[in-house]
Amino acid sequence: RKEVEQDPGPFNVPEGATVAFNCTYSNSASQSFFWYRQDCRKEPKLLMSVYSSGNEDGRFTAQLNRASQYISLLIRDSKLSDSATYLCVVKDGDDKIIFGKGTRLHILP
Amino acid sequence: ETGVTQSPTHLIKTRGQQVTLRCSSQSGHNTVSWYQQALGQGPQFIFQYYREEENGRGNFPPRFSGLQFPNYSSELNVNALELDDSALYLCASSPHTGYSSTDTQYFGPGTRLTVL
Repeated sequence: RKEVEQDPGPFNVPEGATVAFNCTYSNSASQSFFWYRQDCRKEPKLLMSVYSSGNEDGRFTAQLNRASQYISLLIRDSKLSDSATYLCVVKDGDDKIIFGKGTRLHILP
Repeated sequence: ETGVTQSPTHLIKTRGQQVTLRCSSQSGHNTVSWYQQALGQGPQFIFQYYREEENGRGNFPPRFSGLQFPNYSSELNVNALELDDSALYLCASSPHTGYSSTDTQYFGPGTRLTVL
């Protein structure tokens, strides 16, 4: 089983719709979780950290399920500018940072 | 506040050659991590430097080596280049609390290396 797995997509979603991605991780000792966004031919940028209690930032909601070892990202009222690759990132207790391969999202006008 | 910068932006080398990539960390950040991102893949952790010493390494062979300087800037050196080394090389900086690096990493724009 890969350390961090994501559905590569692409997810083709009409503007205004809600879309959700999941990401599974294999190391139950993982301690920190993040979602990064990467635009085409650009560097990754932190979108949000994922806390045990879940967290929300505007249209974006992140959830952590430790029992099932996955994190999720929900985007409401999607905008054209949300089109990007979303990278799931897991950090274990040894400060080892593992990126998933990313999920490509295309918002359609 | 100056962000993370990398040089060069693009580079073309041939198999067997050696390459040095450079990174200047964001102001106030003392930890630098290097990643390799092949086309269509997520970034793969190469290694991290803190206080001029390697502070963690991913599954990369010894021909990938690095340095960190007193001003926290860093170099990634790759010897005996192979075709599969063609990728985007990303540098990320973060502050270190003294126990571990903080969670948020700030990435530079990357160096795109092509090996022919």
